[in-house]
Amino acid sequence: DTEVTQTPKHLVMGMTNKKSLKCEQHMGHRAMYWYKQKAKKPPELMFVYSYEKLSINESVPSRFSPECPNSSLLNLHLHALQPEDSALYLCASSRVQLSYNEQFFGPGTRLTVL
Amino acid sequence: AQTVTQSQPEMSVQEAETVTLSCTYDTSESDYYLFWYKQPPSRQMILVIRQEAYKQQNATENRFSVNFQKAAKSFSLKISDSQLGDAAMYFCAYRSAIGSGGSNYKLTFGKGTLLTVNP
Repeated sequence: DTEVTQTPKHLVMGMTNKKSLKCEQHMGHRAMYWYKQKAKKPPELMFVYSYEKLSINESVPSRFSPECPNSSLLNLHLHALQPEDSALYLCASSRVQLSYNEQFFGPGTRLTVL
Repeated sequence: AQTVTQSQPEMSVQEAETVTLSCTYDTSESDYYLFWYKQPPSRQMILVIRQEAYKQQNATENRFSVNFQKAAKSFSLKISDSQLGDAAMYFCAYRSAIGSGGSNYKLTFGKGTLLTVNP
């Protein structure tokens, strides 16, 4: 299984809502990532989890709260978002070994904040 | 900090022809990885090809090959016998270590090249 799955595919939420994005992989990867991608732009790294611990936070606002309950699952909890947070949110996973850690991407969740 | 530059926002190619997408990068590291990713309109980012900087031989994957010029910091992608399914946004990416410990990496992407394949 070389697939990263993400749910939901689309999400529309108001600025006062609380929602969560889910990402799952069964490749045995111990590094997982959240990226944000605006239209016609490259992905921007948000968070990196390594061995289920948050290792990198790229100065992301606290209204985004990541969680890694186990080695296969990665969540992104959303609260009090702004319209400018509307974007495609991509999850990726990779091995942690030094020499070779290609990132495998999920299909993304298209988020619209009203 | 590493930077990745893709100077061609859009390219087009006739079906069955060959096209080359350019990428340059800036780094002070001697050992690193470079990637080309493809993102079709369906959105899923797919790895096309990778190159280890310490390998002089250019990577090849079927119809996709790279021209890696380490001294010039250039990493172009050649697509031979272009097919309609090759139409996508192509991102060049540089893998660099971040944080402490040496086990966390990030991808720095170029701005992308939108490839159109004409029948």
